[in-house]
Parts: sequence; structure tokens; C-alpha cells
Amino acid sequence: QQPVQSPQAVILREGEDAVINCSSSKALYSVHWYRQKHGEAPVFLMILLKGGEQKGHDKISASFNEKKQQSSLYLTASQLSYSGTYFCGTAPYNTNAGKSTFGDGTTLTVKP
Amino acid sequence: NAGVTQTPKFQVLKTGQSMTLQCAQDMNHEYMSWYRQDPGMGLRLIHYSVGAGITDQGEVPNGYNVSRSTTEDFPLRLLSAAPSQTSVYFCASSYGLGLAGKLDGEQFFGPGTRLTVL
Repeated sequence: QQPVQSPQAVILREGEDAVINCSSSKALYSVHWYRQKHGEAPVFLMILLKGGEQKGHDKISASFNEKKQQSSLYLTASQLSYSGTYFCGTAPYNTNAGKSTFGDGTTLTVKP
Repeated sequence: NAGVTQTPKFQVLKTGQSMTLQCAQDMNHEYMSWYRQDPGMGLRLIHYSVGAGITDQGEVPNGYNVSRSTTEDFPLRLLSAAPSQTSVYFCASSYGLGLAGKLDGEQFFGPGTRLTVL
């Protein structure tokens, strides 16, 4: 069952902050985040594992609440380059991420 | 490293035709996956492979076949194309689990194949 992302879209000015949420009805082992620019392939940002271990991008942070089966991606002081669609992928157990289920994405637009 | 490569970039088929989308990676990744992405939607897993000779179905496998004879290649075959298969197809690869220094969740995606079925 695919995770639910919110909001579906957000528009920001440069320098503003944004939070993108990802929630699942199932217990999760891992959540991973990708960004996709229009017409391009998704690019890995970050993974969060059960137990609190976090890996990935150094300019964007994220949290993983195992009890609530939720993850949030935090984009601080947004830059124009942050524009794109953000996807979360979730896995219910310790499996390769290639077997994960993806949400429908959150489109972020950063304006000057 | 070329990373993950896909061919062709664009393809137009008629209903009922068959074709193979090619995917190759040169990173010696064990895991490879095929996704489809419909307009405005997320990625849906079609098939995946955990190593040469081993494949399994994902969320939306109907109408597609895969095989993995080598670590590098993972072709996707459309058996009899239908308009509902019009989509962008992405191939991705990743390391196996638990490898020291590697990110278990990091999938490397190819540039995609835009398929239109008339």
C-alpha cells in the first residue's frame, strides 16, 4: 500500500522553509526520499531507518517517527535549485529499497 | 562510470506490438528494478531482481516480462502493447543490503524511456 504525501504542492520564495510529510498505514522499516526535476530521473536525497539512524544529504534534513509511521522532509532556506517533485518511498521490513512503495509526490516551486 | 543507461529514449508503438526496453548498469549492483511513472503520479514497481537469474513481481507486473541473465543487464519486455501502458519507464539499480559504506536505500535511476502506445 503506497504512502500518502502532503501537501501535494507548495510554492515558496527563496529563503523560506518547507516541510513535506509522508505517512503510511503500515509499520515501516525505512523511508527514503528522492527529488525529481521535470523531465529527469529521480535523484536520491536521504534514507531514514528504523531505530533512528539517518543517512544522506547534508543540506536537507528529515525525521522518522516509527510509532506514527511518518516521515518528514525539512528544506531550510530554500534555494531555486530545490524546485522539483519530492517522492518518499517506504519499506515495511529490511529489504532492498528497490522493492519499496512510492507516494505520488509533492511538487515544490521556489520563486525568486 | 556510465551509471544506469536505458534505450531507447523515446518509442511509439501500435496496440498489439511487442518490444524490449533495455537497461544496463556498470556499477556491479546486485539489485535492479523497473518502474513506470504516469503523468503527475509516483513510481510504480513493475518487476525487480536481486541478482542474476532471480526476478520477482512488483505492484503492476501484468503485461510485462523480465529476465536477468547477467549482473549488468535487466531488459523489460512488453508482450502485447496496450494504450494503458503509455508511460515513462525508469530502470534503477542499487547495492545489496548491509554493504559497509554503501547506502542501502540509494537507488540510481536511468534517464527513462518515454513510451506511447497508439
